[in-house]
Amino acid sequence: SAVISQKPSRDICQRGTSLTIQCQVDSQVTMMFWYRQQPGQSLTLIATANQGSEATYESGFVIDKFPISRPNLTFSTLTVSNMSPEDSSIYLCSVVRGTGELFFGEGSRLTVL
Amino acid sequence: AQSVTQLDSQVPVFEEAPVELRCNYSSSVSVYLFWYVQYPNQGLQLLLKYLSGSTLVKGINGFEAEFNKSQTSFHLRKPSVHISDTAEYFCAVRESADGLTFGKGTHLIIQP
Repeated sequence: SAVISQKPSRDICQRGTSLTIQCQVDSQVTMMFWYRQQPGQSLTLIATANQGSEATYESGFVIDKFPISRPNLTFSTLTVSNMSPEDSSIYLCSVVRGTGELFFGEGSRLTVL
Repeated sequence: AQSVTQLDSQVPVFEEAPVELRCNYSSSVSVYLFWYVQYPNQGLQLLLKYLSGSTLVKGINGFEAEFNKSQTSFHLRKPSVHISDTAEYFCAVRESADGLTFGKGTHLIIQP
């Protein structure tokens, strides 16, 4: 298994501001993934973050809105920029371990007013 | 591109009854298949996975799933549910080095 810590666990933000979510893993991993879970919805992959290269974004997500950093093999950040109420979601960090399964952090619950 | 269809958004079941949560996927290549559970206000927990080998996979909490390649299905089953099984269940598929693609989820409601 993997221990994945996310900060903050929840936050309430004002429209137009930005929030950076941190993800810390207990050991080195090559690939980290960022997901969004909108209220009552399933999980949608935002981007894949590999250390030493630009993140790869899925259709519908852009770097200007969701910039990602991956400074080393145990840490990543996701910033939600210029927030609007539509960005209210749970944002989850995940990593691949062992035989290909993904482990998830507890998520960061964001509410935008 | 891969996709996952969970045919039932909500499944009500009486306690101690059996349950099956359906999942179908589409992919042009070999895939890895997973079921995750999300209890209220909690993160995702892996129930079970199919990577290769035996098509019947056993997971935690008494759940099992069967991979059927010809029907591109990976249905989740439990012979006798408990009130504590009330949760959202997500089927997911992964191709090679990609991230997971999730189904829309099935809300399992256990009725006493």
